[in-house]
Amino acid sequence: SQKIEQNSEALNIQEGKTATLTCNYTNYSPAYLQWYRQDPGRGPVFLLLIRENEKEKRKERLKVTFDTTLKQSLFHITASQPADSATYLCAPYSGGGADGLTFGKGTHLIIQP
Amino acid sequence: NAGVTQTPKFRILKIGQSMTLQCAQDMNHNYMYWYRQDPGMGLKLIYYSVGAGITDKGEVPNGYNVSRSTTEDFPLRLELAAPSQTSVYFCASSYSRVGRRGSLPYEQYFGPGTRLTVT
Repeated sequence: SQKIEQNSEALNIQEGKTATLTCNYTNYSPAYLQWYRQDPGRGPVFLLLIRENEKEKRKERLKVTFDTTLKQSLFHITASQPADSATYLCAPYSGGGADGLTFGKGTHLIIQP
Repeated sequence: NAGVTQTPKFRILKIGQSMTLQCAQDMNHNYMYWYRQDPGMGLKLIYYSVGAGITDKGEVPNGYNVSRSTTEDFPLRLELAAPSQTSVYFCASSYSRVGRRGSLPYEQYFGPGTRLTVT
């Protein structure tokens, strides 16, 4: 069955350092993979989308890589700030309809001042 | 643009009661979705719609019903509420693009959520 693995434990990073979050998936052949941010008590907010034929995508301090051979995406936040503290969800899209988007449980990122 | 709006924000139901969670979007998105999120868990898709008049089941549809009579609105109906339906419910919408694999949904926009407790 399809499975998405994200670090279940919180990730603590010192302010100013680069935070790297991992998303591994199995039994998927995603057309693309998305990353979302979720703050406590709020709905997820879309951050970045990377397509199957792209290796890397950047947006300001964010960078996403996508390795379809390793079945892995890495999400990097450079020059991290306490305001970046949140839960980050990865969501590979397998195609086949609107229900092909599945969310991982997310990684809770804490940026220490 | 208001984006995706949901009402109510909070609700407490007794076992066996029914209610409708409202969801509306003003972005003219063709795709709309309902998810539930239990504490410490990921989002689970309940129902989705690819356009007005078209709905389909997601991963956890039992105990719920939906309708999509307009592009803007996608209400979720709970019949005979059960404690297992205690959760936070999120509505989302997205546009679609035609690519190599056909029409694909992109960039979901989420509402603020409805926190439902069934006692």
